[in-house]
Amino acid sequence: GEDVEQSLFLSVREGDSSVINCTYTDSSSTYLYWYKQEPGAGLQLLTYIFSNMDMKQDQRLTVLLNKKDKHLSLRIADTQTGDSAIYFCASLRSGNTGKLIFGQGTTLQVKP
Amino acid sequence: DAGVIQSPRHEVTEMGQEVTLRCKPISGHDYLFWYRQTMMRGLELLIYFNNNVPIDDSGMPEDRFSAKMPNASFSTLKIQPSEPRDSAVYFCASSLGGGGYSGNTIYFGEGSWLTVV
Repeated sequence: GEDVEQSLFLSVREGDSSVINCTYTDSSSTYLYWYKQEPGAGLQLLTYIFSNMDMKQDQRLTVLLNKKDKHLSLRIADTQTGDSAIYFCASLRSGNTGKLIFGQGTTLQVKP
Repeated sequence: DAGVIQSPRHEVTEMGQEVTLRCKPISGHDYLFWYRQTMMRGLELLIYFNNNVPIDDSGMPEDRFSAKMPNASFSTLKIQPSEPRDSAVYFCASSLGGGGYSGNTIYFGEGSWLTVV
């Protein structure tokens, strides 16, 4: 079945870069998303990438997609304490409108 | 712009009671989704609507759960009777075009945090 996997925890120092990794199994995924969830809050869309792209950059965020290996990563440059949150990777399957398959989420801890 | 609005934000109820969660999607969006988040199962899609019509309810756990969308600006998710295992965060989300080929993003509300004791 469809599956999205993420590592559960990442700890970095303030100012360093963070790289959160995700793998997915559904080769027909058309869009891949990164959402951020702060404690007690909802899901905030950070960015997304279409499956025919290799990279997308948006200010401090860089998304890399290796479609052959079904591997997605989110790089946060100059990580700040405000970036501490849970980051979810999600895939959207072709033709399966709206059915996002989420990973378990990666908790990012930023130490001052 | 107002985002997806959910109510109540937090609810504590006793087992056996009826629970109604409410959602107002972003104006103009034609897709509405209900997701549930638990520690054990993560985030899972319960049901989604397109133009107020339920399209896929295969994720609804059992008959105790029902969802309606009487108009384009309002949806409810009802649990009757509620059980402790229903304790979770319930998210409503909406989009224009449902994502997919159009790439339209799916926006989530802040969630309704339900505890059934």
